[in-house]
Amino acid sequence: DIVLTQFPGTLSLSPGERATLSCRASQSVDRTYLAWYQQKPGQAPGLLIYGTSSRATGIPDRFSGSGSGTDFTLTISSLEPEDFAVYYCQHYGSSITFGGGTKVQVK
Amino acid sequence: QVVLQQSGPGLVKPSQTLSLTCAVSGDSVSNTTAAWNWIRQSPSRGLEWLGRTYYRSKWYNDYAGSVKSRVTIKAETSKNQISLHLNSVTHEDTAVYYCARDLVVAIARYYHYYGLDVWGQGTTVTVSS
Repeated sequence: DIVLTQFPGTLSLSPGERATLSCRASQSVDRTYLAWYQQKPGQAPGLLIYGTSSRATGIPDRFSGSGSGTDFTLTISSLEPEDFAVYYCQHYGSSITFGGGTKVQVK
Repeated sequence: QVVLQQSGPGLVKPSQTLSLTCAVSGDSVSNTTAAWNWIRQSPSRGLEWLGRTYYRSKWYNDYAGSVKSRVTIKAETSKNQISLHLNSVTHEDTAVYYCARDLVVAIARYYHYYGLDVWGQGTTVTVSS
C-alpha cells in the first residue's frame, strides 16, 4: 500500500496569509489518483481537489493543488476564516490510503 | 443531488458484529462508474479505509488488509443501499464510520478518478461491554 506522509502536522497562520501543505507518497503515484479533503469538527471530510489539481464543484479558486511523483502540495492562496480546518491527502488504487492530516489553525 | 444516509447501532459489545447501513438516494448502487466505500476515523488510527463494493457487469469487493478477515461489504440493489459488517470487534474498532462514493471513469482506455465526492453523515460506534 502507498503510505502518505503529510507535513507539517500543524500550521499556525493568520487570515489572509498563504498556506502551503505537503503530502509525500512512499513511492511514485499517478497524478490522476491523488486527492485532497477538508474536514471541520463534527463533519465528514469534504472533497477539495481531485486528480492532483482539479477543484471539486463549488471549491473556490484560492485552493490549488500541484505536484507529481512522490511530492504533492495543496496551497490556499489567502486564508479565509472558514479555511481553518484539517486537511488530508488521499491516494486511490487497489486500496485507498489517507495521509495523517495537517491542521491549519489561527495564529 | 446524491445523499448517503447512514444507520445502525452506536454501541456494540466486544466479540460481536458491527453492522451499518448506508442508504443511497440520487444515484444507483449499480452505477458502473461508482464505488461505495466504508471508511472509519479514530484519534489513534486517523482516516482508515475499510473496503468498497462496486458493479462492473458483476459485483466486486476490495478490502483493507487490516480488516480483511473480519469485514463484509454488500450492496442491496432492491433497497439501493450498501452495508458493512465487521465481526469479532474489539475496543480498537471504536471509531466514527463513514460511507462514501467515489467515481472512476474510463476515457480512451485511461481511468480518471474524481475523488470521494459524497460522504454519509458518519456514525459513532463504541465497542464496550
